[in-house]
Amino acid sequence: QVQLVESGGGLVKPGGSLRLSCAASIFTFSDYYMSWIRQAPGKGLEWVSSISSSGTTIYYADSVKGRFTISRDNAKNSLYLQMNSLRAGDTATYYCARGSYTDPFDIWGQGTLVTVSS
Amino acid sequence: DIQMTQSPSSLSASIGDRVTITCRASQSISSYLNWYQQKPGKAPKLLIYAAYSLQSGVPSRFSGSGSGTDFTLTISSLQPEDFATYYCQQSYSTPPTFGQGTKVEIK
Repeated sequence: QVQLVESGGGLVKPGGSLRLSCAASIFTFSDYYMSWIRQAPGKGLEWVSSISSSGTTIYYADSVKGRFTISRDNAKNSLYLQMNSLRAGDTATYYCARGSYTDPFDIWGQGTLVTVSS
Repeated sequence: DIQMTQSPSSLSASIGDRVTITCRASQSISSYLNWYQQKPGKAPKLLIYAAYSLQSGVPSRFSGSGSGTDFTLTISSLQPEDFATYYCQQSYSTPPTFGQGTKVEIK
């Protein structure tokens, strides 16, 4: 079964950093755009960032531009999100998903919770 | 950014009811509209893509319609497992944006 598994979430102080990982299995990871989408507690879905299959094309939401960096390692079937200068407003469950801004997000991970609090 | 507005924000319905959720885009998005279902504590699940195409494995009681700015998700006969929150999302341009969600509750 096609699967995405996130890890790396946790509690971090404002201004701190965290790196999320997403491991893909079963499908040919290197063929697909991948994205991060977040959901604040009790709120709706917010797209964060997308990266092309080769890693050469990247997009960010304005809310995270300059603070977050998306990357991928196709040899390891893995997607990453480096989050710096974290704010309380970044508190959310972060999902990795297969798809991009022009395609539906057809496969989702289970999510990893990031809490930014002092 | 393209704004997506869903209505209603919530609804109460009974098993077997026909349920309709609407989604309006702030500008034309052709048929680049997707629908997701999310149950509490779970990741969203893709139901409908490109406005009316049913994702593999999704029951046929779910259907989508519309183009341009106005779209509809219909559940023809509500089942117990359909109580969830539903989101629309446009994939016409970046940033991809979601509606605020419609929570379907048991009457």
